[in-house]
Amino acid sequence: GEDVEQSLFLSVREGDSSVINCTYTDSSSTYLYWYKQEPGAGLQLLTYIFSNMDMKQDQRLTVLLNKKDKHLSLRIADTQTGDSAIYFCADSAHGNTGKLIFGQGTTLQVKP
Amino acid sequence: SAVISQKPSRDICQRGTSLTIQCQVDSQVTMMFWYRQQPGQSLTLIATANQGSEATYESGFVIDKFPISRPNLTFSTLTVSNMSPEDSSIYLCSVGQPLDTQYFGPGTRLTVL
Repeated sequence: GEDVEQSLFLSVREGDSSVINCTYTDSSSTYLYWYKQEPGAGLQLLTYIFSNMDMKQDQRLTVLLNKKDKHLSLRIADTQTGDSAIYFCADSAHGNTGKLIFGQGTTLQVKP
Repeated sequence: SAVISQKPSRDICQRGTSLTIQCQVDSQVTMMFWYRQQPGQSLTLIATANQGSEATYESGFVIDKFPISRPNLTFSTLTVSNMSPEDSSIYLCSVGQPLDTQYFGPGTRLTVL
């Protein structure tokens, strides 16, 4: 079945850039998403990219998609302590059925 | 984006009892889903809540354990039946439209003793 993989942990210094990586297996993905989960909170949609795009930029966030390698990344510029959270990559498996397959989540720790 | 609320936000329940979780959206949506997030884990899809018909369950989830209702396009319930400590999780509903983004509710934190 479809699978989404992420590294589990990333630690950066405040002000540095963070890059969180994700790989997926489903070649029929329509959308790929990045969600943020702060401690004790639900999931916040950060950004998403349509599968026919290579890049999407939204303020401090840049998403890069390499369809050939099935690799997705989220870059956070000028990382702040408030960015500390778990970041989930999700793949819209099965085309437009709406089902999402989630990665394990990457815990981002931002040190002052 | 849709505004999604869930009730209760958290609960502590006794083994063998059942809990019904409600999900309310402020606008009509085509798709509603229920996910489970076990402690320290990622999200797993339980089922797709279909309006006016039986829910579609993912492998490993059955209707007797997780009955779902969806009487209209803005509301759904998930019941966790005959609970055991292994059911302690965050349960989240999500909504979306075909070929559009998907949004999540705040989640219901369930602890089973």
